[in-house]
Amino acid sequence: SQTIHQWPATLVQPVGSPLSLECTVEGTSNPNLYWYRQAAGRGLQLLFYSVGIGQISSEVPQNLSASRPQDRQFILSSKKLLLSDSGFYLCAWSRGLPNMPQHFGDGTRLSIL
Amino acid sequence: QKEVEQDPGPLSVPEGAIVSLNCTYSNSAFQYFMWYRQYSRKGPELLMYTYSSGNKEDGRFTAQVDKSSKYISLFIRDSQPSDSATYLCAISGSNFGNEKLTFGTGTRLTIIP
Repeated sequence: SQTIHQWPATLVQPVGSPLSLECTVEGTSNPNLYWYRQAAGRGLQLLFYSVGIGQISSEVPQNLSASRPQDRQFILSSKKLLLSDSGFYLCAWSRGLPNMPQHFGDGTRLSIL
Repeated sequence: QKEVEQDPGPLSVPEGAIVSLNCTYSNSAFQYFMWYRQYSRKGPELLMYTYSSGNKEDGRFTAQVDKSSKYISLFIRDSQPSDSATYLCAISGSNFGNEKLTFGTGTRLTIIP
């Protein structure tokens, strides 16, 4: 069966510090990978998605970037965090076919001080 | 007009009641429909996935799709306190970007023992 791991679960960072959130998927090959941010009462905002190694599509211009160095690894980064980067970050995967449901990790709650 | 509209609730019902959760969408090109359940501080969990009009049943859960009205529903029978969560609808299958899902903002449900 497929599993998705996301860490850390909680992170507190000062403004201006760098960020690296990691997500890995097991039990499948060539998945599509996604990063979302979820704000209270505002639903899921798609930040980045990837259909293959090194292929990143950005949905919202912002202070964040994503990379996919390996088939089942997806990383969300920032060089300098802003207060507005606080939120609940979710990684998800789907089979590499059109219109497949996505499966989510348990998220990282990021607080910027 | 948003692509997917979902009543945010909150919705409170007594244990054992039938719950009806609903979403409407605007683009008739959408063909694939999903319901997710999200517990507090956790990632969304896929409950139902369907791509045809009509009903799909899985235990106490029934997903209903009416493409002519662009209306989807999730029914929960014999509701339990463990069903207390936020429920999100998601759709896919537009003419472009079919690797992506469009999410509703979620309905917060509480089952009262």
